[in-house]
Amino acid sequence: AQKITQTQPGMFVQEKEAVTLDCTYDTSDPSYGLFWYKQPSSGEMIFLIYQGSYDQQNATEGRYSLNFQKARKSANLVISASQLGDSAMYFCAMGVFTGGGNKLTFGTGTQLKVEL
Amino acid sequence: NAGVTQTPKFQVLKTGQSMTLQCAQDMNHEYMSWYRQDPGMGLRLIHYSVGAGITDQGEVPNGYNVSRSTTEDFPLRLLSAAPSQTSVYFCASSPGTGYTYNEQFFGPGTRLTVL
Repeated sequence: AQKITQTQPGMFVQEKEAVTLDCTYDTSDPSYGLFWYKQPSSGEMIFLIYQGSYDQQNATEGRYSLNFQKARKSANLVISASQLGDSAMYFCAMGVFTGGGNKLTFGTGTQLKVEL
Repeated sequence: NAGVTQTPKFQVLKTGQSMTLQCAQDMNHEYMSWYRQDPGMGLRLIHYSVGAGITDQGEVPNGYNVSRSTTEDFPLRLLSAAPSQTSVYFCASSPGTGYTYNEQFFGPGTRLTVL
């Protein structure tokens, strides 16, 4: 079974600062993917970034980067130059690729608040 | 291209009533799934389908039925609603079979309250 742990229920960051949202995972499967989703107050799930277990480099998408440390089983999301519109709930999720890559296991989320 | 659509957006039921949450996608995706989101719990997988005629249980299937008669539609049925089923329900679809990375596309969600 897979498990995702997000230990920060809430985070505050000042506008234009960088922030790191923590995610640790547990799986015995060697082939898996890690995802981050953003859920604003309107409720939709917005895909942000993906990291595969065999990817050699950390994933980046614009202001989002994923700090992937395989040995520590961590996949932290880094948001650079925070904006007010980044205030939202952020979920880390995992899928394993032994035919279950689409069956995502989610963490409990981190509520991020960006302040002026 | 509407993506993944869900109806209704909001629903209030009384205990014991039945209803069907609708989900449709127009991207010809093989894989579709249903998740529920409860406060403090993240999203949990209810049921999923890897193609028309094929469904399987996820993490929290009790109290829910699904069927997949077409590629496009994947309805979720509550046969006898219970207050514990009060939640936000998300439908998702993906083009892949799950052996490699494929982006999941989520619908806008259905907020269900059972009194």
